[in-house]
This record gives sequence, structure tokens and C-alpha cells, in this order.
Amino acid sequence: DTAVSQTPKYLVTQMGNDKSIKCEQNLGHDTMYWYKQDSKKFLKIMFSYNNKELIINETVPNRFSPKSPDKAHLNLHINSLELGDSAVYFCASSQDPGGYEQYFGPGTRLTVT
Amino acid sequence: GQQLNQSPQSMFIQEGEDVSMNCTSSSIFNTWLWYKQDPGEGPVLLIALYKAGELTSNGRLTAQFGITRKDSFLNISASIPSDVGIYFCAGATGTASKLTFGTGTRLQVTL
Repeated sequence: DTAVSQTPKYLVTQMGNDKSIKCEQNLGHDTMYWYKQDSKKFLKIMFSYNNKELIINETVPNRFSPKSPDKAHLNLHINSLELGDSAVYFCASSQDPGGYEQYFGPGTRLTVT
Repeated sequence: GQQLNQSPQSMFIQEGEDVSMNCTSSSIFNTWLWYKQDPGEGPVLLIALYKAGELTSNGRLTAQFGITRKDSFLNISASIPSDVGIYFCAGATGTASKLTFGTGTRLQVTL
């Protein structure tokens, strides 16, 4: 069974649309994350949730809103998509807030046209 | 934001050769990690280091936490084709599990 899964794998959409990416982990971890990887492969953290509570918000535009219905799920909703949002988005999880050993999902490649 | 510098940026080696790469920072980190990313996949954790000077192995991989806490090194011995990928270092300072990732080293292995 996949430890951290994301859907969809690929997402192509037009500017101005609203889209969501879903993430689920079956590791029993308490903390989940969203990362953005740009075209140069640079990975940067966007958000972190611990047990459904937001603990890291890295100056991400308000158009990005994470939602955690329970500690096994962390979804990412993006409003009014822009060309610059095109990237690969990774979900990850770790055992607790101090757990630096993070386990990543397979990624969602978002292309905004 | 802060970024960790990795070198080399890319390397082409022959199967069987040993590989060395490093990661440097202008700031101190309390934890260093090494990840590998295959094409179209997410990063996979290889090694975690928690103490300055620590040397840890995982099969053919050996990583070291620099004494200054501002660098880390990864060695791969006797490389094989499946070692191909991008290797990322990541550092953490102890606040809410925030990882800062390096710029990556792309490894290509030729037969």
C-alpha cells in the first residue's frame, strides 16, 4: 500500500480556475506538509499541519488554502490560478512536529495555461 | 529564503565508481538529511544525521554531519545504474520540523 498518496498525478487547467489537490497518508503520522518544486527542481515548504492545526505557513499567497479534515488528510485548494503556479506539488508527512524524517508523496504536476 | 548549496550541480560517472557530493550553508543546522528523487517521483529519505561529526551508512551510502554544523557530505560507493537521480540535502534547525532543501546534485551513471 502507498504510504503517502496524492491525486491527481497531473492537472492541466486554465488561468483563473480553482482547483484542489488531495493528499492522504496511511502511516499514522501526526504532521503533514505541502511543498512546491519549481522548474529548477528547487523544493520549498508551503504549509505544515499537525493534528489538523496549521503550524507552518511560508508566506504563500492567500489563493492557496490548505484544509485538513483529519490527521490523515491534507488537501490543497488553489483559487484564481496563475501561470506562475505551474509546478510540481508534493505532500509529505512525519511522525510529529519535531520529526524531520519526512515521507513524500509522488507529486502532482500542475500546469496552468 | 535560505537555500543550501550543493556541489557538484551534476555529475556523470561510470558504473562502479565512487561518488562524493556535499552541501554547504551559511547557517548552522541541528539536523541534516539526504534524499533521492527519481524522475516523476517524490523524494525518498536516504539518511538522517542528528549530531555534529556523525557518520552514518545505509548500504553503499555514507553521509556525514559536518563538525561546523554548516555542511554535510554524501558518498556512494560502487555506483550502479539505479543510483541515477537527483540527490538533495536538507537541513533543519529545530523549529516545527521545517526543512530547508539544497539545490540538488544530478547523478548520471553510464555503463
